[in-house]
Amino acid sequence: EVQLLESGGALVQTGGSLRLSCAASGFTFSRYAMSWVRQAPGKGLEWISIISTSSTNTYYADSVKGRFTISRDNSRNRLHLQMDSLRAEDTAVYYCVKEENYSGYEVLDYWGQGTLVTVSS
Amino acid sequence: EIVLTQSPATLSLSPGERATLSCRASQSVSSYLAWYQHKAGQAPRLLIYGSSNRATGIPARFSGSGSGTDFTLTISSLEPEDFAVYYCQQRSNWPLTFGGGTKVEIK
Repeated sequence: EVQLLESGGALVQTGGSLRLSCAASGFTFSRYAMSWVRQAPGKGLEWISIISTSSTNTYYADSVKGRFTISRDNSRNRLHLQMDSLRAEDTAVYYCVKEENYSGYEVLDYWGQGTLVTVSS
Repeated sequence: EIVLTQSPATLSLSPGERATLSCRASQSVSSYLAWYQHKAGQAPRLLIYGSSNRATGIPARFSGSGSGTDFTLTISSLEPEDFAVYYCQQRSNWPLTFGGGTKVEIK
């Protein structure tokens, strides 16, 4: 059974930093790209970053580019999100998501339960 | 950035009724459109990929259709567990984008 368990969410001050982690199990972690998606209070889903299997390629939404860094440790089945220069608008539940390719279609097929990040002055 | 517009924002229906949800893209996404179900406090769940393909374990009452810019998610007969928020998402262009969601609520 695929399991994704996020951790690291906390209350942090504006301008501060936080590192989120995601522990993956139930699948061969190193074979799949991984994403982070967030949901601000009362808002919809927002994709923010993706990393390829070997970390060669990373992409970011404009809203976090230059402030957030996605990384992975395939030896420990861990996905990370380093969040710097945090803003109030970064307040959200952050989801760790496994990517899958179904017949040529890339999808977000398994999601964690999420971890809450609150940015406040 | 491709903008996905979902309508209606809220759909009030009774169990057993048919639900029809719409997703319109600001430019063509071909068939690179997926649908997700999200219940409060739970992880979102993949329902449909490639516009019309049901993901593993998804009941046949869920169906998707469309291509280009106009897409539809249909729930043929609502079960109590289907009341949730539904999001469409495109994978045609970076960045990946989601629609604003349609809440299906009990009437």
